[in-house]
Amino acid sequence: AQSVTQLGSHVSVSEGALVLLRCNYSSSVPPYLFWYVQYPNQGLQLLLKYTSAATLVKGINGFEAEFKKSETSFHLTKPSAHMSDAAEYFCAVSVSGGGADGLTFGKGTHLIIQP
Amino acid sequence: KAGVTQTPRYLIKTRGQQVTLSCSPISGHRSVSWYQQTPGQGLQFLFEYFSETQRNKGNFPGRFSGRQFSNSRSEMNVSTLELGDSALYLCASSPVGGGAPVGYNEQFFGPGTRLTVL
Repeated sequence: AQSVTQLGSHVSVSEGALVLLRCNYSSSVPPYLFWYVQYPNQGLQLLLKYTSAATLVKGINGFEAEFKKSETSFHLTKPSAHMSDAAEYFCAVSVSGGGADGLTFGKGTHLIIQP
Repeated sequence: KAGVTQTPRYLIKTRGQQVTLSCSPISGHRSVSWYQQTPGQGLQFLFEYFSETQRNKGNFPGRFSGRQFSNSRSEMNVSTLELGDSALYLCASSPVGGGAPVGYNEQFFGPGTRLTVL
Protein backbone atom coordinates (compact mmCIF):
# COMPACT_ATOMS: atom_id res chain seq x y z
CA ALA A 1 0.00 0.00 0.00
CA GLN A 2 1.09 3.55 -0.58
CA SER A 3 1.11 6.49 1.81
CA VAL A 4 1.77 10.21 1.81
CA THR A 5 3.28 12.43 4.47
CA GLN A 6 2.98 16.18 4.31
CA LEU A 7 5.36 17.95 6.66
CA GLY A 8 3.74 20.87 8.42
CA SER A 9 0.02 21.14 8.86
CA HIS A 10 0.39 24.92 8.63
CA VAL A 11 2.90 26.94 6.64
CA SER A 12 3.07 30.73 6.82
CA VAL A 13 4.95 32.86 4.29
CA SER A 14 5.01 36.54 3.44
CA GLU A 15 3.49 37.80 0.24
CA GLY A 16 6.19 37.69 -2.45
CA ALA A 17 8.24 35.03 -0.65
CA LEU A 18 9.01 31.52 -1.80
CA VAL A 19 6.38 28.89 -1.10
CA LEU A 20 7.63 25.39 -0.27
CA LEU A 21 5.20 22.66 0.72
CA ARG A 22 6.74 19.29 1.48
CA CYS A 23 5.43 15.91 0.45
CA ASN A 24 7.03 12.51 0.90
CA TYR A 25 5.48 9.32 -0.37
CA SER A 26 5.86 5.65 0.22
CA SER A 27 5.16 3.20 -2.56
CA SER A 28 6.51 -0.19 -3.51
CA VAL A 29 5.92 0.50 -7.19
CA PRO A 30 6.38 3.63 -9.34
CA PRO A 31 3.76 6.12 -8.25
CA TYR A 32 1.64 8.75 -9.87
CA LEU A 33 1.74 11.92 -7.76
CA PHE A 34 -0.61 14.85 -7.58
CA TRP A 35 -1.01 18.18 -5.84
CA TYR A 36 -4.51 19.49 -5.26
CA VAL A 37 -5.67 22.78 -3.75
CA GLN A 38 -8.86 23.32 -1.79
CA TYR A 39 -10.34 26.73 -1.13
CA PRO A 40 -12.88 27.15 1.69
CA ASN A 41 -16.21 25.48 1.03
CA GLN A 42 -15.05 24.16 -2.31
CA GLY A 43 -13.92 20.89 -3.80
CA LEU A 44 -10.38 20.07 -4.80
CA GLN A 45 -8.68 21.51 -7.86
CA LEU A 46 -5.72 19.84 -9.52
CA LEU A 47 -2.54 21.93 -9.47
CA LEU A 48 -0.23 19.48 -11.21
CA LYS A 49 0.56 15.79 -11.63
CA TYR A 50 3.54 13.53 -12.14
CA THR A 51 3.06 10.42 -14.25
CA SER A 52 6.69 9.51 -15.03
CA ALA A 53 7.19 11.73 -18.07
CA ALA A 54 9.29 14.61 -16.67
CA THR A 55 10.59 14.92 -13.13
CA LEU A 56 9.98 18.68 -12.98
CA VAL A 57 6.29 19.32 -13.38
CA LYS A 58 4.76 22.72 -13.96
CA GLY A 59 1.22 23.39 -12.92
CA ILE A 60 -1.32 26.14 -12.78
CA ASN A 61 -0.99 29.44 -10.96
CA GLY A 62 2.82 29.38 -11.11
CA PHE A 63 3.28 26.23 -9.03
CA GLU A 64 5.73 23.49 -9.84
CA ALA A 65 6.95 20.29 -8.21
CA GLU A 66 9.95 18.07 -8.63
CA PHE A 67 9.82 14.30 -8.36
CA LYS A 68 12.91 12.95 -6.58
CA LYS A 69 12.89 9.20 -6.48
CA SER A 70 15.98 8.94 -4.27
CA GLU A 71 14.31 11.10 -1.64
CA THR A 72 10.77 9.77 -2.29
CA SER A 73 9.68 13.39 -2.37
CA PHE A 74 7.40 15.57 -4.46
CA HIS A 75 7.65 19.03 -2.93
CA LEU A 76 5.52 21.87 -4.24
CA THR A 77 7.05 25.29 -4.83
CA LYS A 78 6.11 28.73 -6.07
CA PRO A 79 8.71 31.49 -6.41
CA SER A 80 6.52 34.32 -5.20
CA ALA A 81 3.48 33.91 -2.98
CA HIS A 82 0.29 35.81 -3.63
CA MET A 83 -2.52 36.46 -1.21
CA SER A 84 -4.83 34.38 -3.40
CA ASP A 85 -2.64 31.32 -2.75
CA ALA A 86 -3.99 31.01 0.78
CA ALA A 87 -5.72 27.62 0.84
CA GLU A 88 -5.36 23.98 1.85
CA TYR A 89 -2.96 21.94 -0.24
CA PHE A 90 -3.05 18.17 -0.58
CA CYS A 91 -0.46 15.82 -1.96
CA ALA A 92 -1.83 12.52 -3.27
CA VAL A 93 -0.44 9.29 -4.67
CA SER A 94 -1.77 6.52 -6.83
CA VAL A 95 -0.06 3.53 -8.33
CA SER A 96 -0.59 1.59 -11.50
CA GLY A 97 -2.98 -1.22 -10.84
CA GLY A 98 -3.78 0.50 -7.58
CA GLY A 99 -6.54 -1.88 -6.71
CA ALA A 100 -8.55 -0.84 -3.72
CA ASP A 101 -6.67 2.26 -2.73
CA GLY A 102 -7.76 4.89 -5.22
CA LEU A 103 -6.05 8.16 -4.54
CA THR A 104 -4.26 8.27 -1.17
CA PHE A 105 -4.06 11.79 0.21
CA GLY A 106 -1.78 13.40 2.73
CA LYS A 107 -3.30 15.21 5.70
CA GLY A 108 -2.99 18.55 3.97
CA THR A 109 -1.04 21.75 4.56
CA HIS A 110 -2.80 25.00 5.28
CA LEU A 111 -0.91 27.79 3.53
CA ILE A 112 -1.15 31.20 5.18
CA ILE A 113 0.03 34.28 3.33
CA GLN A 114 1.10 37.23 5.47
CA PRO A 115 0.71 40.67 3.88
CA LYS B 1 -18.36 22.05 -19.98
CA ALA B 2 -20.26 22.01 -16.77
CA GLY B 3 -18.30 20.78 -13.76
CA VAL B 4 -19.10 18.00 -11.36
CA THR B 5 -22.30 18.71 -9.49
CA GLN B 6 -23.36 17.26 -6.18
CA THR B 7 -26.72 17.39 -4.51
CA PRO B 8 -27.67 18.30 -1.94
CA ARG B 9 -24.91 20.63 -0.78
CA TYR B 10 -25.92 20.38 2.87
CA LEU B 11 -27.76 17.70 4.77
CA ILE B 12 -28.69 17.18 8.39
CA LYS B 13 -29.74 13.75 9.58
CA THR B 14 -30.12 11.96 12.89
CA ARG B 15 -28.43 8.80 14.05
CA GLY B 16 -29.91 5.63 12.64
CA GLN B 17 -31.31 7.27 9.52
CA GLN B 18 -30.04 6.63 6.04
CA VAL B 19 -28.97 9.12 3.42
CA THR B 20 -28.44 9.19 -0.34
CA LEU B 21 -26.07 11.62 -2.01
CA SER B 22 -26.02 12.31 -5.71
CA CYS B 23 -23.23 13.15 -8.12
CA SER B 24 -23.36 14.16 -11.77
CA PRO B 25 -19.98 13.85 -13.47
CA ILE B 26 -18.57 15.99 -16.22
CA SER B 27 -20.09 15.03 -19.53
CA GLY B 28 -18.12 12.19 -21.11
CA HIS B 29 -16.45 11.08 -17.88
CA ARG B 30 -17.21 7.46 -17.09
CA SER B 31 -15.34 7.10 -13.84
CA VAL B 32 -16.78 8.45 -10.62
CA SER B 33 -15.02 8.26 -7.27
CA TRP B 34 -16.25 9.15 -3.81
CA TYR B 35 -14.20 10.46 -0.89
CA GLN B 36 -14.95 11.28 2.71
CA GLN B 37 -13.23 14.31 4.23
CA THR B 38 -13.11 14.84 7.99
CA PRO B 39 -10.83 17.00 10.16
CA GLY B 40 -9.50 13.94 11.97
CA GLN B 41 -9.01 11.43 9.17
CA GLY B 42 -8.52 13.78 6.25
CA LEU B 43 -9.48 12.63 2.78
CA GLN B 44 -10.28 8.95 2.47
CA PHE B 45 -11.23 6.99 -0.63
CA LEU B 46 -14.63 5.33 -0.45
CA PHE B 47 -15.12 3.69 -3.85
CA GLU B 48 -14.90 4.16 -7.57
CA TYR B 49 -17.36 3.25 -10.28
CA PHE B 50 -16.68 2.79 -13.93
CA SER B 51 -19.32 1.81 -16.47
CA GLU B 52 -21.84 1.01 -13.73
CA THR B 53 -19.41 -1.36 -11.96
CA GLN B 54 -17.63 -0.81 -8.71
CA ARG B 55 -14.00 -1.11 -9.65
CA ASN B 56 -12.25 -0.09 -6.45
CA LYS B 57 -13.29 0.12 -2.83
CA GLY B 58 -11.70 1.72 0.20
CA ASN B 59 -11.70 0.52 3.77
CA PHE B 60 -15.19 1.50 4.87
CA PRO B 61 -17.94 -0.62 6.43
CA GLY B 62 -20.74 -2.08 4.39
CA ARG B 63 -23.06 0.71 5.53
CA PHE B 64 -21.45 2.75 2.79
CA SER B 65 -22.58 1.74 -0.66
CA GLY B 66 -22.90 3.27 -4.06
CA ARG B 67 -24.05 2.75 -7.57
CA GLN B 68 -23.64 4.23 -10.98
CA PHE B 69 -26.24 4.62 -13.65
CA SER B 70 -25.94 4.19 -17.40
CA ASN B 71 -25.55 7.97 -17.84
CA SER B 72 -22.56 7.83 -15.41
CA ARG B 73 -24.41 9.67 -12.66
CA SER B 74 -23.65 8.14 -9.30
CA GLU B 75 -25.23 7.90 -5.91
CA MET B 76 -23.82 6.89 -2.58
CA ASN B 77 -25.87 5.66 0.31
CA VAL B 78 -25.06 5.50 3.97
CA SER B 79 -27.36 3.43 6.11
CA THR B 80 -27.76 3.47 9.89
CA LEU B 81 -25.98 6.79 10.26
CA GLU B 82 -23.52 7.29 13.10
CA LEU B 83 -22.22 10.54 14.56
CA GLY B 84 -18.82 9.77 13.05
CA ASP B 85 -20.29 9.85 9.56
CA SER B 86 -20.49 13.63 9.76
CA ALA B 87 -18.19 14.77 7.00
CA LEU B 88 -17.79 16.44 3.66
CA TYR B 89 -18.44 13.86 0.95
CA LEU B 90 -16.66 14.63 -2.28
CA CYS B 91 -17.37 13.17 -5.65
CA ALA B 92 -14.82 13.23 -8.45
CA SER B 93 -15.08 12.27 -12.09
CA SER B 94 -12.29 11.30 -14.42
CA PRO B 95 -11.92 10.79 -18.16
CA VAL B 96 -10.25 7.47 -17.52
CA GLY B 97 -10.13 4.74 -20.10
CA GLY B 98 -10.85 1.11 -19.42
CA GLY B 99 -7.28 0.17 -18.57
CA ALA B 100 -5.99 3.15 -16.65
CA PRO B 101 -5.78 2.93 -12.87
CA VAL B 102 -7.76 5.23 -10.63
CA GLY B 103 -5.83 8.45 -10.27
CA TYR B 104 -3.69 8.18 -13.40
CA ASN B 105 -5.88 10.73 -15.07
CA GLU B 106 -6.71 13.80 -13.10
CA GLN B 107 -9.86 13.73 -11.08
CA PHE B 108 -12.25 16.64 -11.20
CA PHE B 109 -13.94 17.26 -7.89
CA GLY B 110 -17.38 18.56 -7.11
CA PRO B 111 -18.02 21.03 -4.28
CA GLY B 112 -19.10 18.26 -1.92
CA THR B 113 -22.08 17.47 0.25
CA ARG B 114 -21.68 18.40 3.88
CA LEU B 115 -23.47 15.81 5.99
CA THR B 116 -24.15 16.49 9.65
CA VAL B 117 -25.40 13.64 11.81
CA LEU B 118 -27.07 14.66 15.06
